[in-house]
Amino acid sequence: NAGVMQNPRHLVRRRGQEARLRCSPMKGHSHVYWYRQLPEEGLKFMVYLQKENIIDESGMPKERFSAEFPKEGPSILRIQQVVRGDSAAYFCASSPTSSKGSNTEAFFGQGTRLTVV
Amino acid sequence: AQSVSQHNHHVILSEAASLELGCNYSYGGTVNLFWYVQYPGQHLQLLLKYFSGDPLVKGIKGFEAEFIKSKFSFNLRKPSVQWSDTAEYFCAVNALNFGNEKLTFGTGTRLTIIP
Repeated sequence: NAGVMQNPRHLVRRRGQEARLRCSPMKGHSHVYWYRQLPEEGLKFMVYLQKENIIDESGMPKERFSAEFPKEGPSILRIQQVVRGDSAAYFCASSPTSSKGSNTEAFFGQGTRLTVV
Repeated sequence: AQSVSQHNHHVILSEAASLELGCNYSYGGTVNLFWYVQYPGQHLQLLLKYFSGDPLVKGIKGFEAEFIKSKFSFNLRKPSVQWSDTAEYFCAVNALNFGNEKLTFGTGTRLTIIP
């Protein structure tokens, strides 16, 4: 069973370009979470998605950032008009469907390291 | 909203020394608690987790953690560290909101083991 797959592993973009980060959850997992890790900081929650739905986007910057998890294909985190401050590691995690009363854990991918030059 | 504090930013130990990394959280409700490890250039790996039951939790690689509800703490321990334990360690909390495993992380503790 393959783990959470993220690509690319490393992405370099010039200021003003767009960055698209992909995340394929573990087989059977329908919940996807995106986190951002700035240098010397812990991970910060960005967004939680289920298939075709954004459930919680309380950690997403108001502008330039968007996320989707279509019915088919990977989840995409999109950053438009990137700036130097967007340079970070972006991690995706997935978890299976959890029914009320159960506890599950999230499994992390290896991350995409975005560098804006 | 919940928050997590890891007071030790960088810990340096010699091999075979005992380890304790502090983690405190603030949240009034029921929580799930986690410790993750991140080796250089790699993804986060789960060391151990607490959902309910015995507050002393044993994880992989000889790590354990104790949940003390009255102190809002979940400290990580290992009796004898190895050079291969050099990594960054993150404590995380999930407020028990069924169906949402959103995690709040501490800022991490960098552990350096000297051979």
